[in-house]
Amino acid sequence: DQQVKQNSPSLSVQEGRISILNCDYTNSMFDYFLWYKKYPAEGPTFLISISSIKDKNEDGRFTVFLNKSAKHLSLHIVPSQPGDSAVYFCAASPANSGYALNFGKGTSLLVTP
Amino acid sequence: KAGVTQTPRYLIKTRGQQVTLSCSPISGHRSVSWYQQTPGQGLQFLFEYFSETQRNKGNFPGRFSGRQFSNSRSEMNVSTLELGDSALYLCASGTGYLNEQFFGPGTRLTVL
Repeated sequence: DQQVKQNSPSLSVQEGRISILNCDYTNSMFDYFLWYKKYPAEGPTFLISISSIKDKNEDGRFTVFLNKSAKHLSLHIVPSQPGDSAVYFCAASPANSGYALNFGKGTSLLVTP
Repeated sequence: KAGVTQTPRYLIKTRGQQVTLSCSPISGHRSVSWYQQTPGQGLQFLFEYFSETQRNKGNFPGRFSGRQFSNSRSEMNVSTLELGDSALYLCASGTGYLNEQFFGPGTRLTVL
């Protein structure tokens, strides 16, 4: 069963605008959430993370928002750049799970000039 | 600091054979995890090793196994290969901080 869901397989955004990628989860034991970016033929690259004690975390152009009551998180990229075009994966893990991440199936972001 | 390295990068095997993949973590990382990526199932957790002990295991058959050495390098083995085992196998090493994992480039396994 898919415990982490990214319901939008793809997203197209104009350069300079905001990209919003969404992720929903079903397991209330998830305590830590991460976003990864992946280019073809490469491994995922860590972008940003958030623990369940926070509702927002920022790192440069990237901000992750967590709504625990809705079991929803989102990644905002502002401003979007063509180099951001990649597949973005949301991942989650319960507390004390070691490093067993549950991944969504990804959203392919295309940033057009 | 060197990243996670995986060898080989590409591999072609036939059904029924076995295969061993290798992963060298980032220096100082003691945790190594393995993931399988396929178009249909996405990224799925296989297992995690920490200080030479398997700490977590995903929902995969016993044909998938792994081990970790004292220098934290890890290998995973798949026996009696099936066509459905064709996938990108990713290794990740952990810092110990808030479950961040850093991935290698992966090994692309094709089973014919």
